[in-house]
Amino acid sequence: DTEVTQTPKHLVMGMTNKKSLKCEQHMGHRAMYWYKQKAKKPPELMFVYSYEKLSINESVPSRFSPECPNSSLLNLHLHALQPEDSALYLCASSQGGQLYEQYFGPGTRLTVT
Amino acid sequence: GQQLNQSPQSMFIQEGEDVSMNCTSSSIFNTWLWYKQDPGEGPVLLIALYKAGELTSNGRLTAQFGITRKDSFLNISASIPSDVGIYFCAGQSTDSWGKFQFGAGTQVVVTP
Repeated sequence: DTEVTQTPKHLVMGMTNKKSLKCEQHMGHRAMYWYKQKAKKPPELMFVYSYEKLSINESVPSRFSPECPNSSLLNLHLHALQPEDSALYLCASSQGGQLYEQYFGPGTRLTVT
Repeated sequence: GQQLNQSPQSMFIQEGEDVSMNCTSSSIFNTWLWYKQDPGEGPVLLIALYKAGELTSNGRLTAQFGITRKDSFLNISASIPSDVGIYFCAGQSTDSWGKFQFGAGTQVVVTP
């Protein structure tokens, strides 16, 4: 099973709202990732968690706040977003160690109004 | 972020034809991944490559890790309508664990 699940599938939020995106995997993977993808562009890395610790933050604005409550879950907390933050947000996981294959979830389509 | 050079940008092919696309980088990589993405969905991993010269197949798909460790290609043989989508390469350099550079993607359109 190589399934990564993400909720919600779609989210519309105003610029003053606070919302959270959720990601879950049950493959025993120890690395989890958040990506942002604009239409017709490749995914852009935002954050990497390795063994539940934040290991990479690609200079993402503080209005995006990641959280890894345990090895199976990854959240992305959103606050005071801008319309240009509208995008497909993808979660991925990999086994960790020397195995780098990343498996993506279906994504959350976020629209900021 | 940085992108790999992926070509072609798009391909319009007839059903049954073979498809070939490639990615090149100025950096040496230790891993190449190839993905297919349908509209509104997440990328699906097709093939992973870990060794220079490695040639790996997955059904009608074949990918190779270039000998120089700076390039990779993906071939699709005997294309069918469900091969339509955007194909991305992703490479990881030896000093950037967890940070994959993505190509800009190859849009494949298959006509009956």
